[in-house]
Amino acid sequence: NAGVTQTPKFRVLKTGQSMTLLCAQDMNHEYMYWYRQDPGMGLRLIHYSVGEGTTAKGEVPDGYNVSRLKKQNFLLGLESAAPSQTSVYFCASSLAELFEETQYFGPGTRLLVL
Amino acid sequence: SQKIEQNSEALNIQEGKTATLTCNYTNYSPAYLQWYRQDPGRGPVFLLLIRENEKEKRKERLKVTFDTTLKQSLFHITASQPADSATYLCALEAQAGTALIFGKGTTLSVSS
Repeated sequence: NAGVTQTPKFRVLKTGQSMTLLCAQDMNHEYMYWYRQDPGMGLRLIHYSVGEGTTAKGEVPDGYNVSRLKKQNFLLGLESAAPSQTSVYFCASSLAELFEETQYFGPGTRLLVL
Repeated sequence: SQKIEQNSEALNIQEGKTATLTCNYTNYSPAYLQWYRQDPGRGPVFLLLIRENEKEKRKERLKVTFDTTLKQSLFHITASQPADSATYLCALEAQAGTALIFGKGTTLSVSS
């Protein structure tokens, strides 16, 4: 089992460019999450999904879109990147249909927006 | 809205001592609380979950308490080792049946 994987590991964007971050999990988990982590701010939930074809907004959804077309994949899109979106992005997944279930995190994607 | 406070950003202790980390929350009383460990450059790793009807939970050298009256959880590492140096995050539900929110974390440094 690879667990939760994230692609790419690191990316540099110019302001206004777009990109998609890919999260994949091979544990057949129902719930998937995207977080951003900034110094002094902790982990903040961007969007999450409680199943294939469903998505919901978290704490800081503005400027991001997501899609969950396949159960094992959760995509995070930035349509027009801004310097404020410079951050480390973590994807996570959890097994059952309960938020209290253990979350398994990926290794993170470092994004720098110039 | 729910807020989480982890008492300090950094905690420095000597090897062999007990480390105690605090997680306080306001407003909504969660049904459970989780603790995670995060090493530099890596994603968080789950450690323990404690429910509101459990006063204490143990796992090897780790102990977590949950005081719903004080709205506080304490996370203890006994006989601490340099390998325990990491950032520890607490997480809980902002409201019933909602996704977790995370505290900012406490960075523990254990010196030999």
